[in-house]
Formats: sequence, structure tokens, C-alpha cells
Amino acid sequence: SQKIEQNSEALNIQEGKTATLTCNYTNYSPAYLQWYRQDPGRGPVFLLLIRENEKEKRKERLKVTFDTTLKQSLFHITASQPADSATYLCAPILTGGGNKLTFGTGTQLKVEL
Amino acid sequence: NAGVMQNPRHLVRRRGQEARLRCSPMKGHSHVYWYRQLPEEGLKFMVYLQKENIIDESGMPKERFSAEFPKEGPSILRIQQVVRGDSAAYFCASSPLGTANTGELFFGEGSRLTVL
Repeated sequence: SQKIEQNSEALNIQEGKTATLTCNYTNYSPAYLQWYRQDPGRGPVFLLLIRENEKEKRKERLKVTFDTTLKQSLFHITASQPADSATYLCAPILTGGGNKLTFGTGTQLKVEL
Repeated sequence: NAGVMQNPRHLVRRRGQEARLRCSPMKGHSHVYWYRQLPEEGLKFMVYLQKENIIDESGMPKERFSAEFPKEGPSILRIQQVVRGDSAAYFCASSPLGTANTGELFFGEGSRLTVL
């Protein structure tokens, strides 16, 4: 069955460092992959989408990579700030899957002063 | 431009009662999705609707749960005869396009159901 794995343990890093979050998937080949941010008690907020033919995508301090051979996406936040503390969710999408997203369980990031 | 509006934000029900959760999509969006988030678990897809049509309900429990998106008014997720295991956060999302869209979903802030 299709499976999406994100680090279940919280990631604690120091302010100013680069945070790297991992999303691994098995038993399917997504054409796209989205990343969302979710704060406690709030709904997810879309951050980035990357397509299978794109190796890397950037948006301000965010960078996403998509390795279809490794079946993995990495999500980087450079120059991290305490305000980046949140849970980050990945959602690989099949071609034609539209917006019926299947999310990973998310990785909680804590950026400390 | 208001975002996705969900109400109530918090709902408490006793076992056996009914819960009705409402979702008004963003202006101009005609596609609505419902997700459930159980404590310590990820978001799980429940149902995808367009106006007056259920497109995909593969994530809906077979019994007690139903959803609608009428021509006028909000989308409603209805849970009959609630049980404690229904306690969760229910999120609604909307998008302007359907299955051809690979863009973002716009989520509401969720409705948190507690079953006593």
C-alpha cells in the first residue's frame, strides 16, 4: 500500500541554522509533491509545490528537492527563525489525483533562540 | 476576500447525538474537500464534493457519516450517532479547480469535535 513517512520526532534547531525535513514515500510514483505548514489549532497553509521533472524549487528562505529515484523530498528552511516553528506536512500527488491529497503525519520543527 | 469559513470551531456532543459541521469555501471556489485529523495522526481525506455532487467519498466511513454541498449554502459534514472515536479536528478545504488542478488547497481553521 502507498505509504508516506516523515520524521515523527520533533526537530529542534538553533535560530539561524538550516532546518532539513524529510519526506519519503513508497509504493507509488507521484507526479507532484506539495508542502504545507500547520500551526497548533490552525489549518494547514500551502507553501510550495514541486513537479517530478523539477529537481529543486525555491521560495524566499525555503527550498524543496524532489528525488524520484530515492522516492524522497527534502524541505529546507535557511536562516531559521523562531517564527518558523510549526509542523510541516508533505503531500505527494499522483497524476490525475487532483486535490485528493494524502498527507504525511508531519514533522514538528522547533527553532530555539 | 474571506478565506474558507468553518463553523462551529468547537463542538461538544454526547454519544449518540448528531454533529453537523459547516464549511463555506473561498469566493469563486466550487470544489470542497473534507479531511479528518485524529490526535497524533495525520490528515486523512474523507470526501470531495462539487456543487450538488459527491465526486469522491472513498475516505468516508460507510456508516453514520454523510456530506453534501448544495447549490446554495455551505457544505455540511454530518455525523450521526457520534461515538468517542469521532472526536477529532475536521478540516474543510477548497480549490477553484478540480482534478486537473495541482495547485494549492485552501484550508479552513477546522472544527474540533469532542464526544463525551
